[in-house]
Amino acid sequence: AQTVTQSQPEMSVQEAETVTLSCTYDTSENNYYLFWYKQPPSRQMILVIRQEAYKQQNATENRFSVNFQKAAKSFSLKISDSQLGDTAMYFCALRRDFGNEKLTFGTGTRLTIIP
Amino acid sequence: GAGVSQSPSNKVTEKGKDVELRCDPISGHTALYWYRQSLGQGLEFLIYFQGNSAPDKSGLPSDRFSAERTGGSVSTLTIQRTQQEDSAVYLCASSLDRVRETQYFGPGTRLLVL
Repeated sequence: AQTVTQSQPEMSVQEAETVTLSCTYDTSENNYYLFWYKQPPSRQMILVIRQEAYKQQNATENRFSVNFQKAAKSFSLKISDSQLGDTAMYFCALRRDFGNEKLTFGTGTRLTIIP
Repeated sequence: GAGVSQSPSNKVTEKGKDVELRCDPISGHTALYWYRQSLGQGLEFLIYFQGNSAPDKSGLPSDRFSAERTGGSVSTLTIQRTQQEDSAVYLCASSLDRVRETQYFGPGTRLLVL
């Protein structure tokens, strides 16, 4: 069974600052994918960034980057120069590389950017 | 292009009634997924379709829940004899094929069972 744990239910940060959201996971698979999704009040789940487990290089997407530590099974999201539009729920998710295609999600972190 | 759409956006029903939730995936996406998001919880997998077949129904919480997909496109999630614990946001996602990893989500249907 796969599990994803997000230990920070809520976080807040001043606009323009940097914030890091934590995620740990457990899987017996060697090949898998990790994702961060953002869910604003509109409920639309938006993919922020993804990481293939076989890639050592950390993924980056503009102001968003991850710190992927495979041995520690840790996958944190760093948001630089935070903006008001970053206010949302952030979910970490895991998916095996084959077979069942479902995503296993953490319980989310509610991030508030303070003006 | 158009994203995943879901209808209705919100649904209020009385306990014991049946409800149908609809999902229109992105055109050409062969894989379709249903998830449930209860208040304060993460997303819980319900069912996965590849084309019109459902190789994984393991997440359906009871036999009151069923889903179908026709023409490899639209999917309907049906909840019979709704209970208050069924109140949640039901999210649908689609992806291009089994090789592609990214699932694209719809805006969800918020179901409230009174």
